[in-house]
Amino acid sequence: QQQVKQSPQSLIVQKGGISIINCAYENTAFDYFPWYQQFPGKGPALLIAIRPDVSEKKEGRFTISFNKSAKQFSLHIMDSQPGDSATYFCAASMRDTGFQKLVFGTGTRLLVSP
Amino acid sequence: GAGVSQSPSNKVTEKGKDVELRCDPISGHTALYWYRQSLGQGLEFLIYFQGNSAPDKSGLPSDRFSAERTGGSVSTLTIQRTQQEDSAVYLCASSLWTGQETQYFGPGTRLLVL
Repeated sequence: QQQVKQSPQSLIVQKGGISIINCAYENTAFDYFPWYQQFPGKGPALLIAIRPDVSEKKEGRFTISFNKSAKQFSLHIMDSQPGDSATYFCAASMRDTGFQKLVFGTGTRLLVSP
Repeated sequence: GAGVSQSPSNKVTEKGKDVELRCDPISGHTALYWYRQSLGQGLEFLIYFQGNSAPDKSGLPSDRFSAERTGGSVSTLTIQRTQQEDSAVYLCASSLWTGQETQYFGPGTRLLVL
């Protein structure tokens, strides 16, 4: 029940295209859903996050779509650029024992071809 | 520095040796987290600190793993009698306090156990 399932494992998108990464969860106690971006040799960095009281959040070219009833959320990268090539992790957390314990998906390696 | 720093960046050790991994969080951040990232896997939560206290150690994989934090700042993750399955990237993150969702990650320590 603590798992977050992420797909696809890898993704190749042409420059200018839309990249879509999907995640699903089981635990309805999760109340925070961030996406992290990780470049090779670097630690993950927070990209965008959403709470379950909204169905969509947009920041620039990045959008999270959230479907509470289906327990799914996805990251859409519009007008994908080669600089977006990285590994993306979805995560979920809840206030458990007084702290935000992040449960991560297994990651999606995105390659945006020029 | 402005971000989370970790040392060493790379560590190669022989099976059975002990290793110490260091994390220096962002100044003023009271919460500190350790994660493990194995090849092709997501990030696995190990332990967190609020100040110098570690209320939840349930994520530590075995009793060979221990962590401490002194002065509410630097933390050390120690792995005793290392095994080949301990090979992974060990990531440290910090946040202002444990209830704040945004965790800032360091670049990680890549541990290889031969």
